[in-house]
Amino acid sequence: SFGLTQPPSVSVSPGQTATIPCSGDILGSKYTSWYQQRPGQSPVVIIYQHDIRPSGIPERFSGSTSGNTATLTISGTQPVDEADYYCQAWDINTRVFGGGTRLTVL
Amino acid sequence: EVQLVESGGGVVRPGGSLRLSCVASGFKLDDFGMSWVRQIPGKGLEWISSSNWNGGNTNYGDSVKGRFTIFRDNAKNALYLQMNSLGVEDTALYHCAREGLFGYFDLWGRGTPITVSS
Repeated sequence: SFGLTQPPSVSVSPGQTATIPCSGDILGSKYTSWYQQRPGQSPVVIIYQHDIRPSGIPERFSGSTSGNTATLTISGTQPVDEADYYCQAWDINTRVFGGGTRLTVL
Repeated sequence: EVQLVESGGGVVRPGGSLRLSCVASGFKLDDFGMSWVRQIPGKGLEWISSSNWNGGNTNYGDSVKGRFTIFRDNAKNALYLQMNSLGVEDTALYHCAREGLFGYFDLWGRGTPITVSS
């Protein structure tokens, strides 16, 4: 098994760019996804297979991977983006979530 | 409507057992792999088990291996999780989730809560 590390919290001003990193051993060789979870709601996938955005997800959300770090970028962050964000990686025999990052828009 | 609905949660004493169910609607369950993911209130997500489309390949997280069993009845469009030897550390909200290609979760249920307490 492997672990994924995210910062517990990230703060950003409205309209600015937020970046949330997710690091883990050999992460670069595994498909990475990102989820947004608002309070009291189930998670929603916002990025899958490193950088693919599902239909209905705003273009301001993007994903990238370099080496053993995946990054979620939110361009032009809006107050509605305040939520918890989780990275997740897939291996044939396991799935692993990062610890989650609370994004505060202030 | 495409959705997943979990049931079977509740309060159970340490050492007890529970069986969770997840019924899919709006799509055929046997077209997809499925997983169970849990979340302790106020904490993060933890993947606990997955099943391929026909139940022929199942996997478990280290924290539940040997205690939990995932299985499915595609004819009923249902996924299950048999949980034995429950401990207080298993207290959480349990979600079932549908897997897209290469293991991302594209559809989640609202979850069913489990409290393990004496």
